[in-house]
Amino acid sequence: DSGVTQTPKHLITATGQRVTLRCSPRSGDLSVYWYQQSLDQGLQFLIQYYNGEERAKGNILERFSAQQFPDLHSELNLSSLELGDSALYFCASSVGSTSSYNSPLHFGNGTRLTVT
Amino acid sequence: DAKTTQPNSMESNEEEPVHLPCNHSTISGTDYIHWYRQLPSQGPEYVIHGLTSNVNNRMASLAIAEDRKSSTLILHRATLRDAAVYYCIRTIYNQGGKLIFGQGTELSVKP
Repeated sequence: DSGVTQTPKHLITATGQRVTLRCSPRSGDLSVYWYQQSLDQGLQFLIQYYNGEERAKGNILERFSAQQFPDLHSELNLSSLELGDSALYFCASSVGSTSSYNSPLHFGNGTRLTVT
Repeated sequence: DAKTTQPNSMESNEEEPVHLPCNHSTISGTDYIHWYRQLPSQGPEYVIHGLTSNVNNRMASLAIAEDRKSSTLILHRATLRDAAVYYCIRTIYNQGGKLIFGQGTELSVKP
C-alpha cells in the first residue's frame, strides 16, 4: 500500500461530459503529480502541484485542469470528454517539489476512465 | 535529453536471477538512475535508485557501470509476482520533480 488514495477506481461516462478524479496524497507529502496512461501513449506526465500551487505542466490538454486544496488533496477535472480520453489516470505524491530527483514517488492505483 | 534505452521485453524462469539492462549514455555526473515497476492493473511502484555505487534493498540490486553509461537491475530470484513492466528513469538535478517514463521492459516469468 503506497498510501496514495485515488477515487473512484472506475468511471464510465459519455462523450461531452465532465468528470472529476480525486487524489489523497501520502500523509506528509506536499507534492501531487498526475499522469495519464493510455495503450498507445504510455505513462504521460500531466501536471504537478506543490503545497497548493502549480509547479510543473506537461502534456495536459486545455480541457483538463487540476487543483490542490489546503488539505493537500488534489482533483483532476476533465471536460468535454472525447473517446480518446479513455485511459488510466494515476496520481503520485512526494514530500518536496523535487523529491523525485533522489527519492521515491509514491503512486496510487489509478482511476480507469472509459468514455463511450 | 533524459532518454534511457531498455529492451522491449525479457523472459525469465521462476527462482532464477534476472538482469534487466538500461543504457543512459548521455548521463551527467549528478543524474540519478531510478527503477520503477508496474504490475498489471496497478500504479508504478518504486524499486530502487542510485547515483554511482551499487545499491541493494529488499526488492533488488542496482549495478551501475563505472562510466555510468549503463546500469542493470538485478532480481535475485524471480517469482511469478515479479512479472511487470520495469522502467529505468534518469532524474536530472534542477529539472523539477516529475518523472519521465519511457516504454520500459516487459518482464515475463515462466513457472
